[in-house]
Amino acid sequence: TQLLEQSPQFLSIQEGENLTVYCNSSSVFSSLQWYRQEPGEGPVLLVTVVTGGEVKKLKRLTFQFGDARKDSSLHITAAQPGDTGLYLCAGERVGNQFYFGTGTSLTVIP
Amino acid sequence: EAGVTQSPTHLIKTRGQQATLRCSPISGHTSVYWYQQALGLGLQFLLWYDEGEERNRGNFPPRFSGRQFPNYSSELNVNALELEDSALYLCASSLPGGDQPQHFGDGTRLSIL
Repeated sequence: TQLLEQSPQFLSIQEGENLTVYCNSSSVFSSLQWYRQEPGEGPVLLVTVVTGGEVKKLKRLTFQFGDARKDSSLHITAAQPGDTGLYLCAGERVGNQFYFGTGTSLTVIP
Repeated sequence: EAGVTQSPTHLIKTRGQQATLRCSPISGHTSVYWYQQALGLGLQFLLWYDEGEERNRGNFPPRFSGRQFPNYSSELNVNALELEDSALYLCASSLPGGDQPQHFGDGTRLSIL
């Protein structure tokens, strides 16, 4: 059983479109991270959110942590081909236990 | 600042053999985590080391083991290799304490023939 479920699993969109990726759980996390992984490479940290309801922006990427710290979303505005990759959320629970989501594979078509 | 480094990049073994994977964390990071990423699957937590001690392990058989050295580098050992062990093995490191994000290496691709 996966503790963190991501949706959608696959997403293919045209350059310039907007998209939202969701990361959901029934468990509470002390913090949540979003990573992007490209083929042949390890995941690269994008952001960490800690406070319930927190919103962080990274250029065209907006990350939100749910009020109850059980879920998170990643919104990309005006997607570009360089945004293509596997997006992973990871939640931390007490005791440095990290749980990774199932991943969302994004393809942005030029 | 050098990132997390893993070696080797690729490793090819046959069933029943033993494999050793290595990881050097970012300077100042005392925690090292190991994950298995099989094709089409997410990251599955394997082991967590901090200050030389195994702090937690995931739901993997005992033939997956490791250790952390005084310089905080780490080894992952997999004994009696099976075909389903073929995967990308990722190492991550973090600063001590809670709510510290993990920084990943590029992984070791282990292929079992």
